[in-house]
Amino acid sequence: DIQLTQSPSFLSASVGDRVTITCRASQGISSYLAWYQQKPGRAPKLLIYAASTLQSGVPSRFSGSGSGTEFTLTISSLQPEDFATYYCQLLDGYFTFGGGTTVDIK
Amino acid sequence: QVQLQESGPGLVKPSETLSLSCSVSGDSMTSYYWNWVRQPPGKGLEWIGYISYSGNTKYSPSLKSRVTISLDTSKKHFSLRLDSLTAADTAVYYCARWGTGFDYWGQGTLVSVSS
Repeated sequence: DIQLTQSPSFLSASVGDRVTITCRASQGISSYLAWYQQKPGRAPKLLIYAASTLQSGVPSRFSGSGSGTEFTLTISSLQPEDFATYYCQLLDGYFTFGGGTTVDIK
Repeated sequence: QVQLQESGPGLVKPSETLSLSCSVSGDSMTSYYWNWVRQPPGKGLEWIGYISYSGNTKYSPSLKSRVTISLDTSKKHFSLRLDSLTAADTAVYYCARWGTGFDYWGQGTLVSVSS
């Protein structure tokens, strides 16, 4: 089975910072990857699919890149509402999630 | 606007079976895959499985022996059955639609497994 490993697991950042989260797949998955944001007590929200396509309604400060085994989610200028946990997900075969990255206030 | 809503018991005893339902409104159920995802308290997301509109199913290998997902398109809902529960099955259970990604989710329902 394909495993997804996110790094870091936790990061502290300030409003306005550029933030990058990495997701590595244990084998090549082309562009079959999505990114989600989850806030406490809420369902996850789809941000990016097909590795780099922004979901409708998601602010343009979010972007995704990568293919094969290494992917990144970038927030160009962190906003107060962006402090949350972020997950990557395989979108082919088994819909495995990565372990999550919590973005906290520095 | 598509809406999903989970329903089911909040408390189940060990060794018993969990049955949850997800009602779908605001759109047809055709052309999509309908999923269950769970999240133990304080932990990450775990995909459980899906059912397609045509009735094809796929389950997580770690849960496959205990899971059944079924679909009732006429009543616009799909269901999860999870057998032989243990405390490790305590989690918030979400239903979600696979469109582009998992683009619509229910609000989640907390299921506790305890005697």
